[in-house]
Amino acid sequence: NAGVTQTPKFQVLKTGQSMTLQCAQDMNHNSMYWYRQDPGMGLRLIYYSASEGTTDKGEVPNGYNVSRLNKREFSLRLESAAPSQTSVYFCAGGGGGYTFGSGTRLTVV
Amino acid sequence: GENVEQHPSTLSVQEGDSAVIKCTYSDSASNYFPWYKQELGKGPQLIIDIRSNVGEKKDQRIAVTLNKTAKHFSLHITETQPEDSAVYFCAALFTTDSWGKLQFGAGTQVVVTP
Repeated sequence: NAGVTQTPKFQVLKTGQSMTLQCAQDMNHNSMYWYRQDPGMGLRLIYYSASEGTTDKGEVPNGYNVSRLNKREFSLRLESAAPSQTSVYFCAGGGGGYTFGSGTRLTVV
Repeated sequence: GENVEQHPSTLSVQEGDSAVIKCTYSDSASNYFPWYKQELGKGPQLIIDIRSNVGEKKDQRIAVTLNKTAKHFSLHITETQPEDSAVYFCAALFTTDSWGKLQFGAGTQVVVTP
């Protein structure tokens, strides 16, 4: 029972490249979330999905897209990566007390 | 709007002393307040939570208190140990219609020195 699994754990991209961060949960949560964490900035919500088939913007959605593929999977896509997107990305699931994945550390050069 | 303020941003304590982190929230309708601990290189982990119908909750060396009237809640760690060193986040559940999402505080870096 892994909870929330994120892949990859580390990634280096060149400016302008695209990539998709994967997230899967085995806890049967309806809601899933993507956060980014930057030094001194805490956790900022990028996008969320209240239930399968729905997605909504959070605080910092610009430059990102998401797909709620099914109840288990919620992916985050960077279409054209920028250095400002260098961050640690966390996926979470849950309706109250979230369960977080272990994070993806992304560097855009 | 939805807002959670957390203080202090850093906290240094001697091993064995107590640590207290305080948070305030803006939405009086919030009814669920979890606390997370984030160790270096890991994701935040839920350590304790409290609901609005309870004023205090304890779990071994950690406790949370809630004052709904004043809209603030606190995390108390007693007999601190080096393994308590981490970043701690408070959060409050904000609800719209039948669904809610957590708003997080900015975090407190706790350093426990031996």
